[in-house]
Amino acid sequence: DAKTTQPPSMDCAEGRAANLPCNHSTISGNEYVYWYRQIHSQGPQYIIHGLKNNETNEMASLIITEDRKSSTLILPHATLRDTAVYYCIVRVAEGGNQFYFGTGTSLTVIP
Amino acid sequence: GAGVSQSPSNKVTEKGKDVELRCDPISGHTALYWYRQSLGQGLEFLIYFQGNSAPDKSGLPSDRFSAERTGGSVSTLTIQRTQQEDSAVYLCASSLLSGTAGNTIYFGEGSWLTVV
Repeated sequence: DAKTTQPPSMDCAEGRAANLPCNHSTISGNEYVYWYRQIHSQGPQYIIHGLKNNETNEMASLIITEDRKSSTLILPHATLRDTAVYYCIVRVAEGGNQFYFGTGTSLTVIP
Repeated sequence: GAGVSQSPSNKVTEKGKDVELRCDPISGHTALYWYRQSLGQGLEFLIYFQGNSAPDKSGLPSDRFSAERTGGSVSTLTIQRTQQEDSAVYLCASSLLSGTAGNTIYFGEGSWLTVV
């Protein structure tokens, strides 16, 4: 699986959009971008994934650049409960083996 | 149940004792993963089961650690002769493996192990 690079930490004001970047310059054509988050050492929570088109669900939006070498997770209106570590992972959609989570971005939402 | 279920949620054991941690994956999920996370650290992969294939045990830290998956469903992670450095939360996850969402993995809430 391709490796990802994320900033170690970010702050965001409550109510503002949180934009979390991820670089995955070695991504392959059949690899998807997945985002997870982990709050207080609870089990990581799935957020969203996509291949090349932008995706949106009730939690977030995922913007993938045209060359697919980077992406941005957007939390449109950050709340204090969004404070967590966010992981960007590149994976094939089917099969494969273990997920490698990396170190992620620690997002702190500030009141 | 609807999600991945792990038990016990908390376990305190004496150094040198054996412990077993159980994971019930989401019904129908063919892949099962075990991870470990020490306090303030990232997720450390331990072992991966995929259907009837031989498990990927490349992450197990020592021969004191072993895992089984019986009948393609429930899994048990066993730690023998526990040490204090084994103290961590042990996370189980499962996935379908097939379909465009096949590699979306879902985690349980973890089993917190404290070795005293």
